[in-house]
Amino acid sequence: DTGVSQDPRHKITKRGQNVTFRCDPISEHNRLYWYRQTLGQGPEFLTYFQNEAQLEKSRLLSDRFSAERPKGSFSTLEIQRTEQGDSAMYLCASSWGQGEEDTQYFGPGTRLTVL
Amino acid sequence: SQQGEEDPQALSIQEGENATMNCSYKTSINNLQWYRQNSGRGLVHLILIRSNEREKHSGRLRVTLDTSKKSSSLLITASRAADTASYFCAQITGNQFYFGTGTSLTVIP
Repeated sequence: DTGVSQDPRHKITKRGQNVTFRCDPISEHNRLYWYRQTLGQGPEFLTYFQNEAQLEKSRLLSDRFSAERPKGSFSTLEIQRTEQGDSAMYLCASSWGQGEEDTQYFGPGTRLTVL
Repeated sequence: SQQGEEDPQALSIQEGENATMNCSYKTSINNLQWYRQNSGRGLVHLILIRSNEREKHSGRLRVTLDTSKKSSSLLITASRAADTASYFCAQITGNQFYFGTGTSLTVIP
């Protein structure tokens, strides 16, 4: 399967702990996006990469959140000092980067529960 | 927020019936996309309609776009139980995708 993969699929952590999620995009895609989705809502944009460069960050991405995409391949999203409000599904998507006709391919998501 | 809104929030129909869901958005667009999300999974792209198009078909899907009203509709004909999912419209502004709040569709066998 050459789709977008995310790891882990589920993560339960205690408040104050750090967590890191990984996303492996479709190999030919140069853009990679991170979203957060809470129950009953649509995905909310967090950040995106064009190759290895992080080009845009949402104001939702507080200083406790950091994302990297070394070598323009896989990406990691780290949340430091987790809070209960961080509980959500974290979705990764990749695309060719075709401007406004871009189509995104999503991974299955990582569901984070902060106790 | 630039997030659009889908209407209705939830829809329940019998298998074989048609399902219509609507999306309203706030800013000018060059195109609008519809995505589907099965429970607990990632989103899957369904269809893209450009701002100069009024209607587009793909299999059992029919999408309309009214840019004067900043709205779009997705029609699923002859629904199947496997169509049970959440459906989102998405607009691209700059390099960001803005997803609506979604319509949860349940198709009863």
